Amino acid sequence: DGGITQSPKYLFRKEGQNVTLSCEQNLNHDAMYWYRQDPGQGLRLIYYSQIVNDFQKGDIAEGYSVSREKKESFPLTVTSAQKNPTAFYLCASSIPGRAEAFFGQGTRLTVV
Amino acid sequence: GENVEQHPSTLSVQEGDSAVIKCTYSDSASNYFPWYKQELGKRPQLIIDIRSNVGEKKDQRIAVTLNKTAKHFSLHITETQPEDSAVYFCAASRGFGNEKLTFGTGTRLTIIP
Repeated sequence: DGGITQSPKYLFRKEGQNVTLSCEQNLNHDAMYWYRQDPGQGLRLIYYSQIVNDFQKGDIAEGYSVSREKKESFPLTVTSAQKNPTAFYLCASSIPGRAEAFFGQGTRLTVV
Repeated sequence: GENVEQHPSTLSVQEGDSAVIKCTYSDSASNYFPWYKQELGKRPQLIIDIRSNVGEKKDQRIAVTLNKTAKHFSLHITETQPEDSAVYFCAASRGFGNEKLTFGTGTRLTIIP
């Protein structure tokens, strides 16, 4: 069954801790994205990668880091430098030239 | 960079009536405009999209119109049904090697039975 899988679905983090969100896709898509969703603010782009071993900052990259060592994987680390990390995080992928983005189920991160 | 504005933020319509959601964008190089539907607690899913070489596109009860000169595009849902209740997002991108999407802030559509 092809698609994008995010894990975990729910994540709790203590203040000051780093945490890594997983995103895996078996769609053979080159491009992958991380978005953050807050109530009333839509989806905001954190980082994106159009090819393995390359990625670019989006609109709200501060306090986040990513890696793209494999085509199918694009993990997001929320660092302690992110001041307000509680949000719903969505991973997506697309085929260059097609633009249509396919989303994972999301990870809801809560700082406790 | 691109800026996408979406209105209204909430919309309630009687079942069977039509709903219209409007978006404007700032980057004249944008040429791909998708609409996503997100049900509560679920992932956004593409419902319709339009490219800049087309002025209108229809898919059953859903249609999208694009005015490139004015830089705005709209989603039209006719004969609304309870299952249309969701949050709808518009987005824009340049496409063709620069596909990152910039999203609007969303419209919560409620269909009143």
